Amino acid sequence: NAGVTQTPKFQVLKTGQSMTLQCAQDMNHNSMYWYRQDPGMGLRLIYYSASEGTTDKGEVPNGYNVSRLNKREFSLRLESAAPSQTSVYFCASSERGLDIQYFGAGTRLSVL
Amino acid sequence: QKEVEQNSGPLSVPEGAIASLNCTYSDRGSQSFFWYRQYSGKSPELIMSIYSNGDKEDGRFTAQLNKASQYVSLLIRDSQPSDSATYLCAVNTRYSTLTFGKGTMLLVSP
Repeated sequence: NAGVTQTPKFQVLKTGQSMTLQCAQDMNHNSMYWYRQDPGMGLRLIYYSASEGTTDKGEVPNGYNVSRLNKREFSLRLESAAPSQTSVYFCASSERGLDIQYFGAGTRLSVL
Repeated sequence: QKEVEQNSGPLSVPEGAIASLNCTYSDRGSQSFFWYRQYSGKSPELIMSIYSNGDKEDGRFTAQLNKASQYVSLLIRDSQPSDSATYLCAVNTRYSTLTFGKGTMLLVSP
């Protein structure tokens, strides 16, 4: 049972490049989330998907897009990466919106 | 306006002592409260959840909730060096999701 799997684990981009962060969960959870974590800023919600077929903006959505591909998978896309998007990105899932969230191992992204 | 506040620390305690971690929140309608532990370079993992006023104990950990004071705390008894980590408080607020505090770093010295 892998839980929440994120790929890649590390990535270095140049300013203006695009990339997609992948997330998959095998717990049959309805809700999935993308967070970024920066030093001194805590975990901030970027986007979430309460259920398959729905997505909503969180606290810091600018510069990102998401796709809930199916119940298992929720991807985060950076269309034109900026140095301000250098961060650690975590995907999480939960049975429902107010339930315990389980986190993936994270993606460490550097934008030069 | 901060919605979930924690003292950033570090909170330093000797091995065997009780560590007390505190969290305040602003949304009186909050219903779900969680404590996560995060080791350096790792992802957050759930320690405790609490949904009603009072105390909830799980092994060496006790979560305390006071909705009237909008306050939730985590007590760690018989602290061990392996408890050294950052502890994140999470509360359901806007968006019907969880808002995390910035975390309190705990250092347990042998």
